[in-house]
Amino acid sequence: DIVLTQSPATLSLSPGERATLSCRASQSVNNDLLWYQQKPGQAPRLLIYAASNRATGIPARFSGSGSGTDFTLSISSLEPEDFAVYYCQHRSNWPYSFGQGTKLEIK
Amino acid sequence: EVQLVESGGGLVQPGGSLRLSCAASGFSFSTYWMSWVRQAPGKGLEWLANIKDDGSEKYYVDSVKGRFTVARDNAKNSLYLQMDSLRAEDTAVYYCARGSTGLWGQGTLVTVSS
Repeated sequence: DIVLTQSPATLSLSPGERATLSCRASQSVNNDLLWYQQKPGQAPRLLIYAASNRATGIPARFSGSGSGTDFTLSISSLEPEDFAVYYCQHRSNWPYSFGQGTKLEIK
Repeated sequence: EVQLVESGGGLVQPGGSLRLSCAASGFSFSTYWMSWVRQAPGKGLEWLANIKDDGSEKYYVDSVKGRFTVARDNAKNSLYLQMDSLRAEDTAVYYCARGSTGLWGQGTLVTVSS
């Protein structure tokens, strides 16, 4: 089974700063990698699919990159509403799996 | 409106059973793979099961294989998760999802406790 490892576990930044979140796969997932944002009490919200494509309605400050085993989610200039937990997920083969999450908190 | 609405969660004793439902609306349900995902309190996400658009293929994560069964009724635009032999570690919010398209329900809480 493919294991996804996210880093850092917690990222403390201020509004306006740039955030860089990492997701590493234990084996290649090609580009079949997604990123979600989750706020307390809410379902996850899809941000990025196929490693670098923004989902419908997602602001341009969110971008994804990478292929194979190393992926990055970048948020160019943090807005107050961006502070949340972020998960990567692969669907390269079964079983699908998620990373353990990165909590983006206000510094 | 395109949406998924889960129901059927609640409190159940260890060893018991529960059936979750997910009502789909606003899209052509019968043309999509559907999925169940869960999240234990304060924990991360776990993708549980996939079912093909016509129900002919089903996949389960090892932690629920043999205990949970995913099914669908395309005539009723509904997805189901039959959960048997429930354990305390199955306590979670259960979400239905339209494959990996980004459409999720709001979730239903299942609590397994005596």
